[in-house]
Amino acid sequence: GAVVSQHPSRVICKSGTSVKIECRSLDFQATTMFWYRQFPKQSLMLMATSNEGSKATYEQGVEKDKFLINHASLTLSTLTVTSAHPEDSSFYICSARAGGYTGELFFGEGSRLTVL
Amino acid sequence: QKEVEQNSGPLSVPEGAIASLNCTYSDRGSQSFFWYRQYSGKSPELIMSIYSNGDKEDGRFTAQLNKASQYVSLLIRDSQPSDSATYLCAPEPPGGGADGLTFGKGTHLIIQP
Repeated sequence: GAVVSQHPSRVICKSGTSVKIECRSLDFQATTMFWYRQFPKQSLMLMATSNEGSKATYEQGVEKDKFLINHASLTLSTLTVTSAHPEDSSFYICSARAGGYTGELFFGEGSRLTVL
Repeated sequence: QKEVEQNSGPLSVPEGAIASLNCTYSDRGSQSFFWYRQYSGKSPELIMSIYSNGDKEDGRFTAQLNKASQYVSLLIRDSQPSDSATYLCAPEPPGGGADGLTFGKGTHLIIQP
């Protein structure tokens, strides 16, 4: 299957700082990537859709000014959690489709954020 | 609003038995369905996809789809302890891949040795 790589896998930061998570498609180009968040014992919740060369679209209830998404190339999307607080501690996972607009999503390894 | 319903479990199955996981969905326009497996602390990985009514078999896994009943299931034969994980069901959005997948809460499966 297609490979999506995410970095860092774990990050611990102090409250009030910003954290950047990178998501790369290694063997395909992705005009669209999807960012999910998963709290303990909860399902994956779609946060936003990252679009190459244009603004991201955010799901209802997700603050676009807090979760900054940049999709500057066909293989890289970044999620920046700005002014992180303990309630932002979660498992953030990016994903993309290798076949364009249909088919399954391939997921990155995920990034576990802990905000102290 | 798109909804995907799964029994969260835990579903406990003896090793070697058949595990049956069920999922219902609300959007009648969904045509394709995906089953993902997620181990604790890891990201999801695709197990099966199914597009047509009926059964689709892949090794020990069989996906079953009934679009009229808006129901999709996953059977795991000869269950192994390594099958212990959370299984997530996701229908593909009717509009295609411009939208992300909506996942159910997942069923936590425990295979007892």
